[in-house]
Amino acid sequence: EPEVTQTPSHQVTQMGQEVILRCVPISNHLYFYWYRQILGQKVEFLVSFYNNEISEKSEIFDDQFSVERPDGSNFTLKIRSTKLEDSAMYFCASSGVLAEQFFGPGTRLTVL
Amino acid sequence: LAKTTQPISMDSYEGQEVNITCSHNNIATNDYITWYQQFPSQGPRFIIQGYKTKVTNEVASLFIPADRKSSTLSLPRVSLSDTAVYYCLVGGNSGNTPLVFGKGTRLSVIA
Repeated sequence: EPEVTQTPSHQVTQMGQEVILRCVPISNHLYFYWYRQILGQKVEFLVSFYNNEISEKSEIFDDQFSVERPDGSNFTLKIRSTKLEDSAMYFCASSGVLAEQFFGPGTRLTVL
Repeated sequence: LAKTTQPISMDSYEGQEVNITCSHNNIATNDYITWYQQFPSQGPRFIIQGYKTKVTNEVASLFIPADRKSSTLSLPRVSLSDTAVYYCLVGGNSGNTPLVFGKGTRLSVIA
């Protein structure tokens, strides 16, 4: 069964550093998403991406965040200058023409 | 977006049927009801989706009354591995629809 993969599984970084989280969505999917979940809290939408551009973004997705689909398979989330409050699980998801989204296993980001 | 309300937690013994009810009084005509499951340190996983009446798949059943202001996820004969957080979401059925998660219902299955 096809699945969404994410790397790395765990990323530790110093405050102020840039991080790039990587995702490989399911190959024939059209829509790509990033969500985050701070420990003990609910899953929060960050951004959706379609046809090589951002479709929608939440208030969380400020100028420190960017997304890119550099080739036909990868989908990345970049945080330019990490803050302590960016520590969370980051989930990538993808979907086809229907709304069912397939989530990856997540990247745990720890900002020290 | 329609707001959803569901119990914070539920406990059940193995082998029992579990019913988790979600209320969504402000559901729109075009909205579908979708349930996701999340195990600790994993991404959410789609369980079932419906618009009205009853939907059943190999994992669960979803009951939606005529007024669609609530829905009930039914898990038959739960096992320890069904311990997870269950989220009720309301929204469109097309792609490119961001999911809005609430706090979900934490189901604990006890041996």
